[in-house]
Amino acid sequence: DAGVIQSPRHEVTEMGQEVTLRCKPISGHNSLFWYRQTMMRGLELLIYFNNNVPIDDSGMPEDRFSAKMPNASFSTLKIQPSEPRDSAVYFCASSYNTEAFFGQGTRLTVV
Amino acid sequence: ILNVEQSPQSLHVQEGDSTNFTCSFPSSNFYALHWYRWETAKSPEALFVMTLNGDEKKKGRISATLNTKEGYSYLYIKGSQPEDSATYLCAHPSQAGTALIFGKGTTLSVSS
Repeated sequence: DAGVIQSPRHEVTEMGQEVTLRCKPISGHNSLFWYRQTMMRGLELLIYFNNNVPIDDSGMPEDRFSAKMPNASFSTLKIQPSEPRDSAVYFCASSYNTEAFFGQGTRLTVV
Repeated sequence: ILNVEQSPQSLHVQEGDSTNFTCSFPSSNFYALHWYRWETAKSPEALFVMTLNGDEKKKGRISATLNTKEGYSYLYIKGSQPEDSATYLCAHPSQAGTALIFGKGTTLSVSS
């Protein structure tokens, strides 16, 4: 398996634009997590899915953020409209009941 | 969501030194404690998953202990090498088998 695959690896966008981050989890994993990494807060859990169902989205900063998992092999994290304070590295991870395996992350810069 | 605290925030040692850092977590409703190693420009990689009180895990020069009753785990590195430089994260599931809540990590820098 190629591991957790995220795209794009880097994204630079202007404030106000919509940004969509994509994640393909490891095949067979039943949980998928979106994390955001910043200097101030470290690795924050934004939302996670279990068997494609959102379980806890309390970490999503505000209504500008939304996440979907239409099937077991794909998830998106959307920010609309984006703001400079959203600049961070966004990680997707997947697991099957134990350790989480992380993707390479998407570095988002909002200017 | 349960909080995980790690200390120190950062650590700088010389090659050959042994070092250790701490992860504190709520001791009630314990399920598991995870340690991850995170190198710059890479993604976090799992080191250990610990579930039993008194558990001790070892991988090469790195080992970890677990005290679930008092809510802490120690990570030890014996004879630190420059390649050990990384951020070491611990994490605790919010519920059994679900999302991991991470501490902010201890960043280790080993100079030769």
